[in-house]
Amino acid sequence: GAGVSQSPSNKVTEKGKDVELRCDPISGHTALYWYRQRLGQGLEFLIYFQGNSAPDKSGLPSDRFSAERTGESVSTLTIQRTQQEDSAVYLCASSLGVFSSYNSPLHFGNGTRLTVT
Amino acid sequence: DAKTTQPPSMDCAEGRAANLPCNHSTISGNEYVYWYRQIHSQGPQYIIHGLKNNETNEMASLIITEDRKSSTLILPHATLRDTAVYYCIVFGRAGNMLTFGGGTRLMVKP
Repeated sequence: GAGVSQSPSNKVTEKGKDVELRCDPISGHTALYWYRQRLGQGLEFLIYFQGNSAPDKSGLPSDRFSAERTGESVSTLTIQRTQQEDSAVYLCASSLGVFSSYNSPLHFGNGTRLTVT
Repeated sequence: DAKTTQPPSMDCAEGRAANLPCNHSTISGNEYVYWYRQIHSQGPQYIIHGLKNNETNEMASLIITEDRKSSTLILPHATLRDTAVYYCIVFGRAGNMLTFGGGTRLMVKP
């Protein structure tokens, strides 16, 4: 697969349950990003990884949200005790991630549509 | 980070060139101009980016003014499949994680 892969593509969960969203970046991309997009709205930045490190977690909406990345590859975004306002499409992107140069496009997956009932 | 301003919507006739403007008057010297588009229910798709010079690839051309305060994305022969929201983004500072604004909703009509 040449692109960013996200799973599941759709997730319906009950309020209060925990969910895990997975992202497989493009091979060789060291930077990985998570965004959230509510219905009809723009993209909201959540967190990024350079390698396995997340230098800035201030974009996460609450302490119910966490993310990790291992092996400079797969990343998991976890939402604990989901709330209805968490319903959104969660998008993952990756890039070559050379932060000293910004000449490195982000490539997005098609997202996970999360619905909290 | 430099902000961008785009018209909220535009129409274009199929087969004609679509010219999408973007203002980024506060852009700084090391910031790139990126263009993405998002078709309903898909993730944003990278189109093109540039720093100072005009750029062209298989999808589009990017014209950046000499003072770099504005740019235009050109789709030379728009098709119905080009109907999407187009985002102009300035990207160039560590920690700027490609902030997306409202974009321009391009409607290509037969």
